[in-house]
Amino acid sequence: DAKTTQPPSMDCAEGRAANLPCNHSTISGNEYVYWYRQIHSQGPQYIIHGLKNNETNEMASLIITEDRKSSTLILPHATLRDTAVYYCIVRPSEYGNKLVFGAGTILRVKS
Amino acid sequence: DTEVTQTPKHLVMGMTNKKSLKCEQHMGHRAMYWYKQKAKKPPELMFVYSYEKLSINESVPSRFSPECPNSSLLNLHLHALQPEDSALYLCASSPGDSHDQPQHFGDGTRLSIL
Repeated sequence: DAKTTQPPSMDCAEGRAANLPCNHSTISGNEYVYWYRQIHSQGPQYIIHGLKNNETNEMASLIITEDRKSSTLILPHATLRDTAVYYCIVRPSEYGNKLVFGAGTILRVKS
Repeated sequence: DTEVTQTPKHLVMGMTNKKSLKCEQHMGHRAMYWYKQKAKKPPELMFVYSYEKLSINESVPSRFSPECPNSSLLNLHLHALQPEDSALYLCASSPGDSHDQPQHFGDGTRLSIL
């Protein structure tokens, strides 16, 4: 399985964009990049996923570099409720239904 | 609010007890999962059911016994657990078992073994 590397923690001012980086230099061509977050005392929440192209939904944008070795999750206007652990996961096509969580990034949004 | 419902939210049991955790989804998903999450650690996969058949068992001890009675329900039967089994048990579901289909999680059952 391709491994991911994320910073342990990040701070962001409320109302500003939060840019969370993820390195996945060993990713294979058919592996998807997924982002989940986990707010304290809740289950992980699906945010977004992508293969090669940039993706956007109502929660966030996912920017994947052309060589696919890294990606950035962007929360355009962070609020205090976005404080959570954010997990970047590379999902292999074999055993496709396995999600292997790394340590993630603790994002603290501050007023 | 999550569309995957887990009951109970909290459970305290002794090491000799038998109990069950329940998970339910009505999204028509055909793959369901059990994860275990220890405090301050990421979730770890335990079991995967695909079209009501067990497809992955991540070498989980036999004191944990999963069951998928139908496509909407997933149970985890517990027997003779150890204190180190205290954790948050998370259920998830996805439309199928393809790697381009996201899993959606419930809020878990917090289990404490006395």
